[in-house]
This record gives sequence, C-alpha cells and structure tokens, in this order.
Amino acid sequence: RKEVEQDPGPFNVPEGATVAFNCTYSNSASQSFFWYRQDCRKEPKLLMSVYSSGNEDGRFTAQLNRASQYISLLIRDSKLSDSATYLCVVNEVTNTGFQKLVFGTGTRLLVSP
Amino acid sequence: EADIYQTPRYLVIGTGKKITLECSQTMGHDKMYWYQQDPGMELHLIHYSYGVNSTEKGDLSSESTVSRIRTEHFPLTLESARPSHTSQYLCASSGPRTGEHPDTQYFGPGTRLTVL
Repeated sequence: RKEVEQDPGPFNVPEGATVAFNCTYSNSASQSFFWYRQDCRKEPKLLMSVYSSGNEDGRFTAQLNRASQYISLLIRDSKLSDSATYLCVVNEVTNTGFQKLVFGTGTRLLVSP
Repeated sequence: EADIYQTPRYLVIGTGKKITLECSQTMGHDKMYWYQQDPGMELHLIHYSYGVNSTEKGDLSSESTVSRIRTEHFPLTLESARPSHTSQYLCASSGPRTGEHPDTQYFGPGTRLTVL
C-alpha cells in the first residue's frame, strides 16, 4: 500500500466550478500535512499547510481527518490558472529520527473556459 | 519566495561522463534534499542532509553521491552518467522560518538531465 494515495485524475472542470480532491495516508504517526501545486515541468510549490481544525486561504480550503487518515482540498470558483497537479504531502519520521516528507503522485486538474 | 538555486537547468551529456549538479540556498536552512522525478511520475527522495557533514540515502536507490561541506550548498555527483540516469533532479531545503511550518520544503527549479 502506498504511504500517500491520491486519485490521479484528470479532473476536467469548467471555469467557476468547485472541485474537491481527497488523499489518504497510511502512517498514523504523521503530524504535518501539506498541499503542494506542481505545474507541468516545473518544481512543486507550497499551496498550503493543513491544520487539524481545517484552514482556508482565499478560494482554497483544506481539511484533515486524523481518525480516517484523510486530507481534502476544496477549490471554489476555479480559474484557468488553477490547472496543475496537486500533490498531497505528509511527514514521516525515519528510523534515525529524521523528519521527511512523503509526496503523493498528485491529482491533475484541468480547468476549461 | 524561495531562495534556492540549481545549475545547470538543462544538461545533455554523453555516457560515462562525470557530472555535478549544483544546489544552493540562501535561507539558512539546515535540512536539504535531492529528489528525482520522471515526467508525469511521483517525486522520489534520493538523498537528504541534516546539516553540515551529515548526509543520508533516501528511499530510492541512486548511484549518485552528495556532500554538505557548507550549510548553503548541497551538490550531487554522478561519477559515470548512463542513459538510465536521464530524469529531472530537484533540490529542496527546509528549516525554521517565521510564520511557516518548519517542515515546509522549498524547491529549486530543477535540473533536467539527459544522458545519451
């Protein structure tokens, strides 16, 4: 089983639509959660951290459900510029005590006019 | 904005050549990472560093080596490049930063390596 699982998509939505992505993680000890955005052939960039109480940043809302080990990202009023791959990211502690991030394979979003 | 830089951005080289991919950051981060990513595929951690003189291998076995002699610099070397090394190599760093989660990683623009 993969440590972080996401639906690869693509999700094809029209401009203005609301779209939601889900992600599950396997390590119940994980403490840090993020959504990153990656444009085609570019580096990943932080979209937002995900906090236990849920958090919002403009049109983007992230939720965390620790009991179900599930993270979500909601995008409202989609823009053409939202077209990208969205990576679900979870931290993990190695056997030497190092905190590393585990990246999901990403969910591809295509927003059309 | 992330202050992390990678050179070269693109490299086409013949089999058997030794190459060094450069990565530097000016954020004073103690932790640095190298990832490998093929087009449309997931990121794989190949090396990481806790700090100066501390390096570890990541999840994906790699024939590359790294060094961390200075906090800001984390170069990756391939002694003898092969076509199977063709990929994108992404460097990242993390560390305490005011107002942000300390585990947040910031990525450089990547080096796209092609070995003929």
